[in-house]
Order: sequence, then structure tokens, then C-alpha cells
Amino acid sequence: EPEVTQTPSHQVTQMGQEVILRCVPISNHLYFYWYRQILGQKVEFLVSFYNNEISEKSEIFDDQFSVERPDGSNFTLKIRSTKLEDSAMYFCASSEVTSSNEQFFGPGTRLTVL
Amino acid sequence: AQRVTQPEKLLSVFKGAPVELKCNYSYSGSPELFWYVQYSRQRLQLLLRHISRESIKGFTADLNKGETSFHLKKPFAQEEDSAMYYCALSAGGFSGGYNKLIFGAGTRLAVHP
Repeated sequence: EPEVTQTPSHQVTQMGQEVILRCVPISNHLYFYWYRQILGQKVEFLVSFYNNEISEKSEIFDDQFSVERPDGSNFTLKIRSTKLEDSAMYFCASSEVTSSNEQFFGPGTRLTVL
Repeated sequence: AQRVTQPEKLLSVFKGAPVELKCNYSYSGSPELFWYVQYSRQRLQLLLRHISRESIKGFTADLNKGETSFHLKKPFAQEEDSAMYYCALSAGGFSGGYNKLIFGAGTRLAVHP
């Protein structure tokens, strides 16, 4: 069964550094999402992406964040200058073009900002 | 405001006991509700959605618009049901696959032998 994959599984970085989190959505899916979960808190929506542009973004998704689909398979989340409070689990998800909104999640990338 | 509330952080039951994980939502439009489950060291995966009205692994959930609830139930819990359960709301109804999910805080279900 096809799955969403994410790399790396764990990323440690210094405050102020740029990080890129990578995701490979399920191949026939056209909607892509990033969510994050700070330890002990809710899973929060960051951004949705369709047809090579952002469909919706949350207030968390400020100018430090960007998303890109650089080729036909990868979907990336970039944080330009990481802050301590960016430490979280980041989940990528994808969904098909159907009336159902079933989103398939990746295993997550744990980002630790020191 | 769009919100999902799961009042219990932890629900601890013995094997064979009935289980009810509570979920209440706040949304003025026509919501689509889901239950996602995360087993230990695994990814979030869809358990149920209200539009399909199906039973998965013995779990059912009914959308009650009057009480704005979508509680998850199972008559006889099994040890393998131990996991984190998240209720989620998709705002915007059935208009397509781009709607964000709004999650509750999650309830950890622990089923003891």
C-alpha cells in the first residue's frame, strides 16, 4: 500500500539555521499539507498546497516558512531561521482529488532547535 | 471559531469493558468529522469518518449535530486498541480535498489485561 514518506526522521539544528524538511506524498495525490505538533500540544495545521500554490496557511506560517514542490515527487517545508519554539514534530499529509477529505499522513520529522 | 475538544487526556479501561472517547466540536457550517488513531511508534491513520457511517475494528461514531458531538465507541475494548486517538474536523463540508484538519488534543486509551 502506498505511503507518505518523510526525511529525515530527526533533525537537530542550531537556532538561526535554515532547515528543509522533505516529504514524498502518495503519487496520485494532488493536495499536500504540513502540520506540526509541539510536544504535549495539539496537531496544528500549517499550510495546504495545490496546483503549485498555497491554498491556505495558518497564522503560524509566517515569512520564516515556505513550501515548494521542486519536482514531481517531493514536497518540502523550509524554515529560514529557526527559533527554539520551532522544535516540534512536523507531519506531511496528502489527499486525492475526491469529495472525501481523507488525508494520509507521513511518519513525521522531529525537529529539535538548540 | 472552529474548535475540537477532547476532554479526556487519558482513558484507562480493562479488556472487555466498553469504551467511549468524547469529542465535541464548534463549527457554524456543515462539518466533516474524523477519528484518527496513532499506535505506538506509528503514523497517524484514519480510523473513521462520519460520512461513511462504517464500523472499523469494532469502533463506531455518530455525529450528533444537536449536541455538536462525535463520540467514539466500542462495546468491548481489546488490548490492541491501546493508542492515541484524535478527533478532527474538516471545515468547509464536502467541497473537496484541500480543507485543513482541525485536531483535538487527543485521548490516550490504555486497555489493561
